[in-house]
Amino acid sequence: QSVLTQPPSVSGAPGQRVAISCTGSGSNIGAGYDVHWYQQLPGTAPKLLIYGSSNRPSGVPDRFSGSKSATSASLAITGLQAEDEADYYCQSFDSSLSAVIFGGGTKLTVL
Amino acid sequence: EVQLVESGGGLVQPGRSLRLSCVASGFKFDDYAMDWVRQAPGKGLEWVSGISWNSGSVDYADSVKGRFTISRDNAKNSLYLQMNGLRPEDTALYFCAKHPGRYVSGWDHFDNWGQGSLVTVSS
Repeated sequence: QSVLTQPPSVSGAPGQRVAISCTGSGSNIGAGYDVHWYQQLPGTAPKLLIYGSSNRPSGVPDRFSGSKSATSASLAITGLQAEDEADYYCQSFDSSLSAVIFGGGTKLTVL
Repeated sequence: EVQLVESGGGLVQPGRSLRLSCVASGFKFDDYAMDWVRQAPGKGLEWVSGISWNSGSVDYADSVKGRFTISRDNAKNSLYLQMNGLRPEDTALYFCAKHPGRYVSGWDHFDNWGQGSLVTVSS
C-alpha cells in the first residue's frame, strides 16, 4: 500500500484530456513538499515529466501539466496521443517516514 | 548528454551479497547527489538510498537499512550499492538516478535515470 494513492488505471480517446490524481496526507503533500511526476513507457526507465508540482523540463510538451492543492496533486494530459500510453508515477517526500515516496502508479490506456 | 549505466546485477541466493555499479557521463558527477530506486517485477517504484555529492550525507529506506550500503567514487564517476543479506523481496530492477543538486533533499526530483540492473534473489 503506497503512501501516495493513485488510480490504478485511466483511459481516454486520442485528442481527449485525462487527469491522474495523487492523494497524500499532512506528512507529505500537505506538509508542503513538492510533487513530481514521471512517465515510464513499456520496458524503459522512468522519465521526468513534471517537477516542483507544475514545472516542465525542457523537451516535455505543454500538453502535460501539473497542479497541487492541500494534500493532493494532479497530472493533466491534453490532446491525448497514442505514444502517451505508459505508466505514470507521482513522487514526494514524507516527513514521518523521512523517506522519498512514490505513488503506486497509474496505467494510461489510449483507446 | 547525461548517461547513467548500471551493472552488477544477476541471480543470487538468499543471504548472499551483490554490488551494483552505476557509471555516469555527460555531466560533472561530483556536483550532484545520486540515488538508487528499484522496481520489483510488475510493480511500482520504490526509493532505496541516496548520497550527497561528497558522500557526507547518506540515507536509506527502512526496508534496506543495515543491509545495503551506498557509496560513490567521484574520481571514477561511479555510484555503488553494496547489498548484503539479500532477500527474495529484494528482487527488482535497480535504477540509479541523478538529483538536480548537490544534496539529498526531500524537495528533490530525479532528473535523469539509468536503464537499470536486474537483481534476482532466489534459491
